[in-house]
Amino acid sequence: DAGVIQSPRHEVTEMGQEVTLRCKPISGHNSLFWYRQTMMRGLELLIYFNNNVPIDDSGMPEDRFSAKMPNASFSTLKIQPSEPRDSAVYFCASTQGAGGGYTFGSGTRLTVV
Amino acid sequence: GESVGLHLPTLSVQEGDNSIINCAYSNSASDYFIWYKQESGKGPQFIIDIRSNMDKRQGQRVTVLLNKTVKHLSLQIAATQPGDSAVYFCAERALGAAGNKLTFGGGTRVLVKP
Repeated sequence: DAGVIQSPRHEVTEMGQEVTLRCKPISGHNSLFWYRQTMMRGLELLIYFNNNVPIDDSGMPEDRFSAKMPNASFSTLKIQPSEPRDSAVYFCASTQGAGGGYTFGSGTRLTVV
Repeated sequence: GESVGLHLPTLSVQEGDNSIINCAYSNSASDYFIWYKQESGKGPQFIIDIRSNMDKRQGQRVTVLLNKTVKHLSLQIAATQPGDSAVYFCAERALGAAGNKLTFGGGTRVLVKP
């Protein structure tokens, strides 16, 4: 099992540019989560999907952020336009059913300059 | 759990000693708790979990204790090793939360001294 796969590992972009982060959950997992981690706020849940359907996006900071899950094996988190305060590590995680813990990907470190 | 600011609580422990990491949770409706370990440059990694109908659970070198009366969770690491140096997070799930949503605490940094 390759685990949760995120790409890219690192992204440096200029303010105003569009950024797309990608995630492939573990095969068979039916819930997918996007988290953002910063020193100031720790791990914040941005949005999560259950069976490809967005369940709770209340953590998405503003309209510049959007997430999609077109199928069970792929999800994207898009920031448009990006701002320096979006700089953080973005994690994707997946889980199966209601009993287990999440499996996290290795994260994407985003730097907006 | 609540997020913290710039400074994570830090626990310094001598190699071979036991470590105890504490976590206070806020939601009395939480029914499931997990401890995660995060090493530098990596994502959080599952260590051990416990359900609210239990007060203790043991794994390999780790034990989780749950006190629902005071909403307190702890992780005990026996014979701490250099590889245990990391940031440890507790996470809670509220009963009935759709999609298995977890809320994370702010984390505790563990530094193991040789």
